[in-house]
Amino acid sequence: SAVISQKPSRDICQRGTSLTIQCQVDSQVTMMFWYRQQPGQSLTLIATANQGSEATYESGFVIDKFPISRPNLTFSTLTVSNMSPEDSSIYLCSVGGLGDAEAFFGQGTRLTVV
Amino acid sequence: SQKIEQNSEALNIQEGKTATLTCNYTNYSPAYLQWYRQDPGRGPVFLLLIRENEKEKRKERLKVTFDTTLKQSLFHITASQPADSATYLCALDIFPVGLTFGKGTHLIIQP
Repeated sequence: SAVISQKPSRDICQRGTSLTIQCQVDSQVTMMFWYRQQPGQSLTLIATANQGSEATYESGFVIDKFPISRPNLTFSTLTVSNMSPEDSSIYLCSVGGLGDAEAFFGQGTRLTVV
Repeated sequence: SQKIEQNSEALNIQEGKTATLTCNYTNYSPAYLQWYRQDPGRGPVFLLLIRENEKEKRKERLKVTFDTTLKQSLFHITASQPADSATYLCALDIFPVGLTFGKGTHLIIQP
């Protein structure tokens, strides 16, 4: 199993600013995943973060908007840059979930952009 | 591309009855299908995984079925309780994207 600490749990930000979300795992993991959950919608994978390499972004998400760091095997950050109200969502980090492994999630960051 | 469909309308069930939630998918059948529970303000929590060669999996009051012919999984909660009220998500491991979620079904158990 894995315990994930994610912070901040929520924030209200001005448009045009950036927010960095941190995710700490209690064990070493190869891959960490960042999801976005817009109101009433499912979780959408933003990117996969591997330690020691560039993150892999899904269609519709770009590094300039969502830069990711993965400095070691237990920690990752996601930055939401130059925010607009459309970025208001819940952002979640996760580990596991591939093949027959269950996924573990942080509690999420509820972002509101005003 | 693979699509995952869950009834996004809220499902209201009387306490003590069995709640049945549906997950349909298109295209190819995945090797594994997972169900998660999500409470407001929280990340999803894993409940059950079922493999393509398993017809049914149980865990306490939970039961999951997997019909690869119908391309459907059913999630049952027997003897439902108000504490079971939450959003339930099904998820498939879709290559090369990884774990992909349905929109979830909001379940309300009424006392």
